[in-house]
Amino acid sequence: DVKVTQSSRYLVKRTGEKVFLECVQDMDHENMFWYRQDPGLGLRLIYFSYDVKMKEKGDIPEGYSVSREKKERFSLILESASTNQTSMYLCASSSLGDSPLHFGNGTRLTVT
Amino acid sequence: GQNIDQPTEMTATEGAIVQINCTYQTSGFNGLFWYQQHAGEAPTFLSYNVLDGLEEKGRFSSFLSRSKGYSYLLLKELQMKDSASYLCAVSPAYTNAGKSTFGDGTTLTVKP
Repeated sequence: DVKVTQSSRYLVKRTGEKVFLECVQDMDHENMFWYRQDPGLGLRLIYFSYDVKMKEKGDIPEGYSVSREKKERFSLILESASTNQTSMYLCASSSLGDSPLHFGNGTRLTVT
Repeated sequence: GQNIDQPTEMTATEGAIVQINCTYQTSGFNGLFWYQQHAGEAPTFLSYNVLDGLEEKGRFSSFLSRSKGYSYLLLKELQMKDSASYLCAVSPAYTNAGKSTFGDGTTLTVKP
């Protein structure tokens, strides 16, 4: 079974802090994704990566950046956390083509 | 862009059958995913439809009509553990399935 591991289940950060969310997958998948999930808004794509050092903006990239230095690891960075970034963050990976997403358990981030 | 509609909540009785509908309007379409998400957990893949028709997988079946922009997930012999949110996701044409657009999800409650 594919395992996607997110480093933290819960995080509390202060406004203005730089925040790192880490995600690791163990199935040698090419593609990795970061989503946020909010009530009434569903899952929205922030960034994705289809190869090491490659990244592409999703639907809501503002206020975020990403890093993919190794194939198995994809990091989401909040440069200066704001309260409107309080959310559930989900990492996912997939192999090529129309393969389904495999999600991590999520990180619930609260920015105060 | 993509616009996806699914009911917010549904309730059904253990042992019954329930149908969760998903309608979409899209500028490009490759296929449609269904995911299941239990509260506090990661979404997990249920089905993927590319062609019109019904695909059956045990107690769960998924239907697609491309011409009508319509899909449904059919759950038979409902069990208490089927209480979860069901996410419909449209995979866009000519790009990565991870760039799918998700509906807001349908929260299904199964009662004894």
